[in-house]
Amino acid sequence: KQEVTQIPAALSVPEGENLVLNCSFTDSAIYNLQWFRQDPGKGLTSLLLIQSSQREQTSGRLNASLDKSSGRSTLYIAASQPGDSATYLCAVINAGGTSYGKLTFGQGTILTVHP
Amino acid sequence: DGGITQSPKYLFRKEGQNVTLSCEQNLNHDAMYWYRQDPGQGLRLIYYSQIVNDFQKGDIAEGYSVSREKKESFPLTVTSAQKNPTAFYLCASSARLLNEQFFGPGTRLTVL
Repeated sequence: KQEVTQIPAALSVPEGENLVLNCSFTDSAIYNLQWFRQDPGKGLTSLLLIQSSQREQTSGRLNASLDKSSGRSTLYIAASQPGDSATYLCAVINAGGTSYGKLTFGQGTILTVHP
Repeated sequence: DGGITQSPKYLFRKEGQNVTLSCEQNLNHDAMYWYRQDPGQGLRLIYYSQIVNDFQKGDIAEGYSVSREKKESFPLTVTSAQKNPTAFYLCASSARLLNEQFFGPGTRLTVL
C-alpha cells in the first residue's frame, strides 16, 4: 500500500528565505506527482504536476523535483513571502495495483513565513 | 469562468439524518472524486467516477453514497450509517483518471 510522508510537519521562516519541503513515497509505481497548497478552511490549489518521466517542473518561484527511483520529491520555494504561508500537500497518482489511478496524500507541511 | 463549485459551504445535520452535498464542474472533465479531510489524517478518498453512470468505492465508502447521472454533477449523500460524519468534504475533477486533479472550495459538515 502506497504511503506518502512529508517532512517537516511544520516550518517557520523569516521573509526572503529560500526553503525546501520534502515528500517521500514508498511505491515507485506512480503515474505523476502533484503539489498542492491549502489555505485554512479552503480547498486545494494545484501548484505543480510532475509526470513520472520528468525530473522537475517550475512555476514562478516554485520548483519541484522528482526522483522516482528513490521515491522522493522536493518543493523549492525561492524568496519566500508572508503570502506563501499555507499548508503544502504532496500527492502521488498510483499507477499499479488496487490503488490504480487514485491519489495518495501526505499529511502536509504547515509553512509560516513571518515578516 | 471554469471551475468546480460545492454547496453549501457549511452544513449542519442532526444525528440520524441523511444529507446531500453538491458538486458541479464546468471543466468538461470525465472523472470526479470525493475526499474527506480530518485533522491529523490527511485526505482520504470516499468515491470516484470515471464516466457518467459509473462510480467506484474509494478507501472509506461505508456510510456514503453517490450518483453520476450527468457529466458535470457528482453529489455525495452522507447517510445515517456514517458513524462519524463531521469533517471537511472536498470534491475534485480531472480530465480523465490519472490526470491532474482540481479541487472545489469544500463543504464543512457538522453533526449536532
